[in-house]
Parts: sequence; structure tokens; C-alpha cells
Amino acid sequence: ILNVEQSPQSLHVQEGDSTNFTCSFPSSNFYALHWYRWETAKSPEALFVMTLNGDEKKKGRISATLNTKEGYSYLYIKGSQPEDSATYLCAFSGTQTGANNLFFGTGTRLTVIP
Amino acid sequence: ETGVTQTPRHLVMGMTNKKSLKCEQHLGHNAMYWYKQSAKKPLELMFVYNFKEQTENNSVPSRFSPECPNSSHLFLHLHTLQPEDSALYLCASSPIGPSYNEQFFGPGTRLTVL
Repeated sequence: ILNVEQSPQSLHVQEGDSTNFTCSFPSSNFYALHWYRWETAKSPEALFVMTLNGDEKKKGRISATLNTKEGYSYLYIKGSQPEDSATYLCAFSGTQTGANNLFFGTGTRLTVIP
Repeated sequence: ETGVTQTPRHLVMGMTNKKSLKCEQHLGHNAMYWYKQSAKKPLELMFVYNFKEQTENNSVPSRFSPECPNSSHLFLHLHTLQPEDSALYLCASSPIGPSYNEQFFGPGTRLTVL
């Protein structure tokens, strides 16, 4: 089992604040890093899939960066809104474990206080 | 809506019962997955089906029996479960191809084993 760690485990921010969290993963045999957003009682939804070292992706106020050499990815939320409250999951896939085998972290639970 | 549905959403069963979880997608995907999420643990991949053929079984006990009759439907048959099998069971689907294809998740079935 590959170790994918996310920090912090949970986070409370005020509406309008910007925030970021971290995903750490094995730096060897890297294939792809996925970010998902999971609201309570709903389905996890894909935010980004990143494959190249130095990749930066953006969707509205949410962006992510990737460093495959040191094995980390950051997710940033600019000007947090209450609707951003969710658990943010990252998942790693490696060349040795197969294309479909995603290893998930335990997630960062974000609460945005109005 | 991600296009992946799961039924039932909640299930309570005794240890001697037999029940089945159902997953359906009409996204034209050819890969389908079962995941398990226990409390305070990351999502764990259980089974992978590519073109209706099982390609991954991550050391799942035989009391969990998957079935994929076609590319749109996936079942998880449950029998003689243990209380520690109580968890959220998520289904996902994806196109078959490079690992950077995102997986589309259903909302999950919350299973309680008494």
C-alpha cells in the first residue's frame, strides 16, 4: 500500500480568506495525481488530474500545483466561499501499480464560516 | 450529478443476510470500480473491471463478490458480513486509457452490519 498523506486534516476559515492544503505522495514511479472535491452526502467530483512536474491547473478560484520530484501537490482556494466547504481528496497513481489503481489520502475537510 | 448512480443509498443487514449493491453508469465508460471507505480511513480500492473483466482484486475477503454483467452495471454481492464491514461503499467508472483519466463516482451506499 502506498502512503498518500494530506494536511491539515481539517481547516476552518472565514469567508473571503484564501487557503491551501498539501498532498504528499511517493516521488518514485509517478504517473498521475488527482484532486477530488467531496461534499457531504454527494459524490466525489474530480477537480484536476496532473501528470507533469511543475504542472499548474486552475478552475475558477481553485488552483493546484505539482512537484513530482519531491512528491507533493498544493491545492489553493482564493477568496473562500461557504459553498467551498467540502472534503478535498488527493489520489496518486504510479507506474508500478497500474493505471486504474488510485491511492487516496484521508482528505482535508474544509469549513468556510460565513 | 456525475452520471453514476448507486442503490440503495443506505442498507442495514444482519451478519447472516445476503444483499447486493448496485451501480449503474451511462457515460460510455468501460472501466468500473468498487471502493470502500471506513471511518477515518482513506478510500480503498476493492475491485476493478475493464471491459467486464475483473483486473484487480485488492485482497478483498470472499464474502464480497463482485459482478459486472455489462459495461454499464456493476454489483457487489454481500454475504455473511462482519460488523467491521460497516462502511461507505462507492462505485466509480472511467474511460479505459492512460491513468490520467478521471474517475466518476456515485454517491455511495452506507452499509451497517449488525
